[in-house]
Amino acid sequence: GAGVSQSPSNKVTEKGKDVELRCDPISGHTALYWYRQSLGQGLEFLIYFQGNSAPDKSGLPSDRFSAERTGGSVSTLTIQRTQQEDSAVYLCASSLGSHTGELFFGEGSRLTVL
Amino acid sequence: KNEVEQSPQNLTAQEGEFITINCSYSVGISALHWLQQHPGGGIVSLFMLSSGKKKHGRLIATINIQEKHSSLHITASHPRDSAVYICAVSGTYKYIFGTGTRLKVLA
Repeated sequence: GAGVSQSPSNKVTEKGKDVELRCDPISGHTALYWYRQSLGQGLEFLIYFQGNSAPDKSGLPSDRFSAERTGGSVSTLTIQRTQQEDSAVYLCASSLGSHTGELFFGEGSRLTVL
Repeated sequence: KNEVEQSPQNLTAQEGEFITINCSYSVGISALHWLQQHPGGGIVSLFMLSSGKKKHGRLIATINIQEKHSSLHITASHPRDSAVYICAVSGTYKYIFGTGTRLKVLA
């Protein structure tokens, strides 16, 4: 597709289970970002990938969170042993370059941890 | 103090009114972005600007680099303009986002 694609759009899970969220950025975009947005709150930076460089993981809230980006394209955000406070919308965005280009967001993955 | 401040936080307007949302920032930037988020929806980029003014339809964005300030104007507002408008800045660091302005336009 032409835009940033995220899946699943909605995920309900039980506390303690692991979840994987997927992001397929716009083709050719070297920069990929993951953000978290809790209800009524602003965007919280999680992790940033730029080409083949080491990712900037400075926003990951705990070691239960990890992400990878395979082949410079698709990215997966994994949350292990989910907690209720992990409930949020997880947004992926991509851009042509690092930190300077127009950001294109996916529709987000809404995670609910029961 | 946040590096990107928006005002107002909430705004209710009547259809047809001229609307202004302000954004001030305290860091050096390469560009400033205005984003729109509809309830339950994704985020759409409205403008990216580094100087002067840009116009798209009823939306106008201006930036004053010296004063580190930007404004988003909506002319002839319509209920479909109801959304959260987010200001973000970018440079050699990560994007920094404001907390958003929640706009409601009443018919």
